[in-house]
Amino acid sequence: AQSVTQPDIHITVSEGASLELRCNYSYGATPYLFWYVQSPGQGLQLLLKYFSGDTLVQGIKGFEAEFKRSQSSFNLRKPSVHWSDAAEYFCAVGAGNDYKLSFGAGTTVTVRA
Amino acid sequence: DTGVSQDPRHKITKRGQNVTFRCDPISEHNRLYWYRQTLGQGPEFLTYFQNEAQLEKSRLLSDRFSAERPKGSFSTLEIQRTEQGDSAMYLCASSWESGNRNTQYFGPGTRLTVL
Repeated sequence: AQSVTQPDIHITVSEGASLELRCNYSYGATPYLFWYVQSPGQGLQLLLKYFSGDTLVQGIKGFEAEFKRSQSSFNLRKPSVHWSDAAEYFCAVGAGNDYKLSFGAGTTVTVRA
Repeated sequence: DTGVSQDPRHKITKRGQNVTFRCDPISEHNRLYWYRQTLGQGPEFLTYFQNEAQLEKSRLLSDRFSAERPKGSFSTLEIQRTEQGDSAMYLCASSWESGNRNTQYFGPGTRLTVL
């Protein structure tokens, strides 16, 4: 079975600074990888996804992520954060024909002025 | 495309009562998933449908939980004899089952509070 680890529970970053959120997965074959963002009390919004091909994927809101098979990682980055990026971010892995997702515990991002 | 919708958004109930939640997926999507999210955790898979067939149920889905998708469109999740441990956000997602187009889009969730 697949699993996801997000090592950072909480990250605080200054507005305008860069952001990197870590994600490590465990799965024996090629995984499908996703990043979702959740604002308080809301559902999950898809930021970006990786299925195959180019290992650097671009998403919405200026986010990008890089798949590194050798490190079993799929880290999320943004060059310059905005106050509206404050939210909880979830990395997820899907596998097999059912594509059911396994999520990490999430990383809460706080943006300070 | 109006996205995935869920109703109600919030439900407060007393222990022992039955509750039912509804999910309307994106219209052309043939797969529908239910997840549960407790405070401070990521969502956990409960069950999923392909069209009207329920193809998998997690061990998290006790006998008190039942889900249906009668015509392959909307789905309901019922919890009988609710317990305080059932308090959580229940999320629905839909997708089109076809290779790299299987991307799940989530609804806003139903937050259940059991008193």
